[in-house]
Amino acid sequence: NAGVTQTPKFQVLKTGQSMTLQCAQDMNHNSMYWYRQDPGMGLRLIYYSASEGTTDKGEVPNGYNVSRLNKREFSLRLESAAPSQTSVYFCASARTGNTGELFFGEGSRLTVL
Amino acid sequence: GQSLEQPSEVTAVEGAIVQINCTYQTSGFYGLSWYQQHDGGAPTFLSYNALDGLEETGRFSSFLSRSDSYGYLLLQELQMKDSASYFCAVREGGNNRLAFGKGNQVVVIP
Repeated sequence: NAGVTQTPKFQVLKTGQSMTLQCAQDMNHNSMYWYRQDPGMGLRLIYYSASEGTTDKGEVPNGYNVSRLNKREFSLRLESAAPSQTSVYFCASARTGNTGELFFGEGSRLTVL
Repeated sequence: GQSLEQPSEVTAVEGAIVQINCTYQTSGFYGLSWYQQHDGGAPTFLSYNALDGLEETGRFSSFLSRSDSYGYLLLQELQMKDSASYFCAVREGGNNRLAFGKGNQVVVIP
């Protein structure tokens, strides 16, 4: 059982380049999330998707777009990367119900030069 | 809006007890979660409190007081593997949307 899988694990971009972070979960969860983690800042929510076909902004959505491709997959796109987007990105999923429990992927470490 | 306050770092010896506090201010509150994260790893879920009181899961316990906007995580019988960062997270609404605090690093020494 793979859980939440993120690709790529590492990426270096130049300012202005675009890229997509992929995330897939095999737990049949309805909700999926993208967070970023910076040193000393904890995790901040970028976007989330409560169910297939819906997406909503989180705390720090500027500079990002998302697509909930199907129930399993939730991608995060940087259209024009900036150095301020250098971070570790975590995808997570959650089953329906008020559990307070998110299942996280291993993270994607992005550096923008 | 929301804000979560957590102290930054704690060092303790193996076998000791550590309490990590979390105070929060948020416009909507549904519950408080706790997560553990080892260096370079993914956050992993420890516990969730929706109601006031103490929840015990093995060596770890979590407490919530909604009237005080306060919770804590209690780590007992500390082991070296407990060296990690610990985050509290407020559930602000449905669909398990969580807002995380900045975290508290626990260093366990022999």
